[in-house]
Amino acid sequence: ILNVEQSPQSLHVQEGDSTNFTCSFPSSNFYALHWYRWETAKSPEALFVMTLNGDEKKKGRISATLNTKEGYSYLYIKGSQPEDSATYLCAFRDDYKLSFGAGTTVTVRA
Amino acid sequence: DAGVIQSPRHEVTEMGQEVTLRCKPISGHDYLFWYRQTMMRGLELLIYFNNNVPIDDSGMPEDRFSAKMPNASFSTLKIQPSEPRDSAVYFCASSLGPAGGDTQYFGPGTRLTVL
Repeated sequence: ILNVEQSPQSLHVQEGDSTNFTCSFPSSNFYALHWYRWETAKSPEALFVMTLNGDEKKKGRISATLNTKEGYSYLYIKGSQPEDSATYLCAFRDDYKLSFGAGTTVTVRA
Repeated sequence: DAGVIQSPRHEVTEMGQEVTLRCKPISGHDYLFWYRQTMMRGLELLIYFNNNVPIDDSGMPEDRFSAKMPNASFSTLKIQPSEPRDSAVYFCASSLGPAGGDTQYFGPGTRLTVL
């Protein structure tokens, strides 16, 4: 089992504020880093797949960066909205399978 | 496309009974994955198939669990006999390629409760 850690475990954000959180993963044998958004009672929804050191991806108000040399990725939410409330999972791929972190649960307060 | 389809969405059974979970991947996807989600262990991979062939079943917890993929559009995960500790949400996912660059698309999950 690969050690994929996400921090913080949960956070509360005021509507309109920006926030970010971290995914840490092994820096060796890296193939890709995935980010998923998971709403309660729904299935995980893919946000980004990142493969190159220095990658930056953006989807609307959500963006992510990747540092494969030091083994971390940040996910940023700009101007948080209530609909951003969800658990954000990162998953590290070594060769062929994904190892998921426990997730960061974001709650946006109106 | 309808996405990944799983059935049933909820299953409640008694200890010792056989349970069969079903999955229809997205058409054209060559890879199919079965995951289990629990509070204690999070989302963990049980087994995955490539072109209907099981490639890695190292995540299957024990012999009571088995999975098959008789054709490109259908897979089953069977638990026989079921135990209360098998209670979890079971997800099926599919992708065009291996887990690296290709996105995995998840089904809605089956919530299993074993009494």
